[in-house]
Amino acid sequence: GENVEQHPSTLSVQEGDSAVIKCTYSDSASNYFPWYKQELGKGPQLIIDIRSNVGEKKDQRIAVTLNKTAKHFSLHITETQPEDSAVYFCAASHPSGGYNKLIFGAGTRLAVHP
Amino acid sequence: DGGITQSPKYLFRKEGQNVTLSCEQNLNHDAMYWYRQDPGQGLRLIYYSQIVNDFQKGDIAEGYSVSREKKESFPLTVTSAQKNPTAFYLCASSLSGSSIETQYFGPGTRLLVL
Repeated sequence: GENVEQHPSTLSVQEGDSAVIKCTYSDSASNYFPWYKQELGKGPQLIIDIRSNVGEKKDQRIAVTLNKTAKHFSLHITETQPEDSAVYFCAASHPSGGYNKLIFGAGTRLAVHP
Repeated sequence: DGGITQSPKYLFRKEGQNVTLSCEQNLNHDAMYWYRQDPGQGLRLIYYSQIVNDFQKGDIAEGYSVSREKKESFPLTVTSAQKNPTAFYLCASSLSGSSIETQYFGPGTRLLVL
């Protein structure tokens, strides 16, 4: 079936450093790629998304890049802060019976140390 | 204050018992979803509904049931047939299900088995 692989599973950085999380997907029909941040005991919150008609999108300290040929996309967080510590999930859309479902990666636990 | 609410925050189930998780949204979204989250795994789709009075099975529907009698509400019942129900359950909604729309998540319900 369709799947999304996410790496690394855990990431530890010093405050102020950059963090990069990478995802690969298998469905060539995928054309929407959101990233969610989940804090402990809470629901995921959308932080940025990208559609297949662009290769890069930026929102302040976070950016997402997309390579459709290679079927991978990445989340970049610059100038990390302790409040960035959370679990991050990538997802890719998958058309299925007139409906676009999201396939999620397994998540990356990011720890930012002061 | 618009958003998605889930209740209860914690739920305990006894052997052989059916339990119902509540999900309400006031975003005027047509589509609603239920996901299951297990430690170290991504979100897996249980059921989804693109419109009132219609719903479809997701990837792991066995042992679960839903209803969609009102646009705002999409309750999930975990039946006694679900042998491993301990998990974090997340409800989400989007403007529509047929086009690619952002999914917004509720705060989640943690289900534990006594």
